[in-house]
Amino acid sequence: GQQVMQIPQYQHVQEGEDFTTYCNSSTTLSNIQWYKQRPGGHPVFLIQLVKSGEVKKQKRLTFQFGEAKKNSSLHITATQTTDVGTYFCAGRDNNDMRFGAGTRLTVKP
Amino acid sequence: DVKVTQSSRYLVKRTGEKVFLECVQDMDHENMFWYRQDPGLGLRLIYFSYDVKMKEKGDIPEGYSVSREKKERFSLILESASTNQTSMYLCASKRTGGNQPQHFGDGTRLSIL
Repeated sequence: GQQVMQIPQYQHVQEGEDFTTYCNSSTTLSNIQWYKQRPGGHPVFLIQLVKSGEVKKQKRLTFQFGEAKKNSSLHITATQTTDVGTYFCAGRDNNDMRFGAGTRLTVKP
Repeated sequence: DVKVTQSSRYLVKRTGEKVFLECVQDMDHENMFWYRQDPGLGLRLIYFSYDVKMKEKGDIPEGYSVSREKKERFSLILESASTNQTSMYLCASKRTGGNQPQHFGDGTRLSIL
């Protein structure tokens, strides 16, 4: 069945450094969603990508969907302490949506 | 705003007990989900429901069952709790449609002693 692999599992950065998390699917996806879970909180929907090669931005966050619709990335420019949390991708393959294992980001002030 | 409410934030039970986790959503969503979240494993789907009285197995249904008697409520049942079911359990709901986001509850941290 469909698998969504997400790397890295953990990332610790100095405030102001950039951060990127990557998702790869074993199958072609119809769409991919990104969620953020703050420490002690629940996952909250950030954005969805649908089109091949799509790029979307939310302030310092840039989301990309690969040309083959099998991979995606989330890039944060100049991290801030408010960015800490776990970032999940969730890929849809036909009617099944599967979450990646998440990347836990910590930021040193 | 969508509100997904899980009945307990923390729960401690004993091995062999029957455990009920309740989830209620207030946005008339057709679809509801139960996940467990473990370090390094992310969110794993236990069961989901796309309509009242309908249920589908997710990736890890063993040791669990579910009930959806009303549209707004989705219950997860541990028939005979075991220590390996100690975890964070998250409920989510969404509207029908592949592009709809999931809305999560705050989670129930369940410990089985």
